[in-house]
Amino acid sequence: GEDVEQSLFLSVREGDSSVINCTYTDSSSTYLYWYKQEPGAGLQLLTYIFSNMDMKQDQRLTVLLNKKDKHLSLRIADTQTGDSAIYFCAERSTDKLIFGTGTRLQVFP
Amino acid sequence: GAVVSQHPSWVICKSGTSVKIECRSLDFQATTMFWYRQFPKQSLMLMATSNEGSKATYEQGVEKDKFLINHASLTLSTLTVTSAHPEDSSFYICSARVVSGTDTQYFGPGTRLTVL
Repeated sequence: GEDVEQSLFLSVREGDSSVINCTYTDSSSTYLYWYKQEPGAGLQLLTYIFSNMDMKQDQRLTVLLNKKDKHLSLRIADTQTGDSAIYFCAERSTDKLIFGTGTRLQVFP
Repeated sequence: GAVVSQHPSWVICKSGTSVKIECRSLDFQATTMFWYRQFPKQSLMLMATSNEGSKATYEQGVEKDKFLINHASLTLSTLTVTSAHPEDSSFYICSARVVSGTDTQYFGPGTRLTVL
């Protein structure tokens, strides 16, 4: 079945880069997404990548996709305290999104 | 663009009552909306897929008579938790899908339900 795994927690210093990793199992996924969730709020779409791409950059965000290893990563450059949140990766499987377990990013001064 | 609202943002009710949660796509039409449930410090669990003008498709293990979904228009879907019990307390999040190449889902802000 589909399964999306993420590390649970990441702590970085303000100004450093953050790298959040995700592994998925459905090789037929066409799109993969990164969402951000702040406490008590819904999910905010950050970026997505099509499965035939290796990399996508959007301002401070860089997504890397290794389709062979089914590995997705999100790099946040110059991490700020406002980036503290939970980050979910998701794969599009048939008609549904399968979410990862979420990575809690904590940014300290 | 692609804004999704939910109402109410939080609700407290007594055990045995029914609660309706609305999900609206504000600036686009959504033929498909999704309802998720999220327990504290956990990921989102898809409950059902709501298609405008037809019956919702429920995920395995989700009671359709307990969680009634209505998608009467292209901008509104409702989830009614019937005869709510404390174990139904959770964070309910809806999303609406934009029909496009990416079929991206945009999420509402969520509704926190507490059943006493």
